[in-house]
Order: sequence, then structure tokens, then C-alpha cells
Amino acid sequence: GAVVSQHPSRVICKSGTSVKIECRSLDFQATTMFWYRQFPKQSLMLMATSNEGSKATYEQGVEKDKFLINHASLTLSTLTVTSAHPEDSSFYICSAISGRGATDTQYFGPGTRLTVL
Amino acid sequence: QQPVQSPQAVILREGEDAVINCSSSKALYSVHWYRQKHGEAPVFLMILLKGGEQKGHEKISASFNEKKQQSSLYLTASQLSYSGTYFCGTEVETSYDKVIFGPGTSLSVIP
Repeated sequence: GAVVSQHPSRVICKSGTSVKIECRSLDFQATTMFWYRQFPKQSLMLMATSNEGSKATYEQGVEKDKFLINHASLTLSTLTVTSAHPEDSSFYICSAISGRGATDTQYFGPGTRLTVL
Repeated sequence: QQPVQSPQAVILREGEDAVINCSSSKALYSVHWYRQKHGEAPVFLMILLKGGEQKGHEKISASFNEKKQQSSLYLTASQLSYSGTYFCGTEVETSYDKVIFGPGTSLSVIP
């Protein structure tokens, strides 16, 4: 099956710093990538939809200036958490699909555990 | 808009069967099922498209009733490896590609 990687897998940072998380589709071109956040024992909450070459579409309640998403190529999307605070600590997961149809499977990355001190 | 899942949690003995339900208040185009182990990313199980089809093979299958806006995941003769949290994700007709996940169903299979 398709492989999606994320880097880093874990990051610990101080409050006020910015953290960049990379999501790569390794063996297919991802026209669309999604970013999710998951708090312990909760569901995955969609943060934004990222289409290659265009601005990301953010879900209601997600601050676009705080969570910067860039989808510069068909294999790479990045999420930058700016001025991170302890409440931003979470498990961030990206997923990618290869087309734009409903039949496309979302392939999830392994996730990034962010801890803000 | 988040789908509803039931039950919230279930404990099974190895070899027993389980059914996990997922329902939405909106008309659905597709339903996706994933299993997540603790600390790991979700793993894709299957997608069901509008049309009421049943999919799956052997011991894990699912059905999708688009009229009722419901899907069910069937696990038969459960194995220890089935333990995890099962999420359904729904794709509404007016918002293709965007999958909203339910709260999850925790499944524990014990010897």
C-alpha cells in the first residue's frame, strides 16, 4: 500500500517557539493532504485540507495564522505550529490521497507527538 | 456533523463476534473504517460507497445503508490482534474528500 511519512515523530519544545512538521507521500503523488489533531482518547479532528499549489482550507475554529500549512509539491505538505503553547500539545497526523474522488483511500502518516513545555 | 458510533467500548473474548455501528445526520457519500492501536496512526480497513454495498473479507466486513445513513462493521471470530479503537469516517454528499471521524469505539479482545 501507499506510504506516508511524517517528520519528526516526536518533538518537545518550549512555549513560544515554532515547530514544523513535514508530511511526505513516498510512493505516490498526493493532490490532497489532510491534517488532523488527536488529543488522548479522543477522535481525530480535521484541522485543514491542503491542496497542492493552493491555500489550505481550514476547519471552523482552527486558527490559520497559528497553524500554517504549505503544500508546495505533490509529495510534501508542512504544518507549522507558530508560537506554540502547552495547549497545543497533541498528536498531529497527516493523511494523503492520490486523487480527488471519494473512492480514494486516505493513507495516514505515523503521526507526530508534540509536547510544549 | 460528527458521526455517532456505538457502542463506546466493548470487551470480547477471543472468538466472539462484535458489531460496531456508525450513523450520521447527513446524507452520506461514503463511509470509511479505520482501526487505531494506542500511540499509532489509524490503519485503513475499508471504504464503502453510496449504494448499500457490503464489503470486506473473511472475518471483518461492513455494510452501508445510505437511506438510513448508517454503517456497521462486523468482526467475527475475533482475534487478539483486533484490539484497538475503531473509527468510522463519513464523507457527506456536499463535501467530497473531507472525512469527519466519529468518536471511536474501543475494542478489547481478551484470551
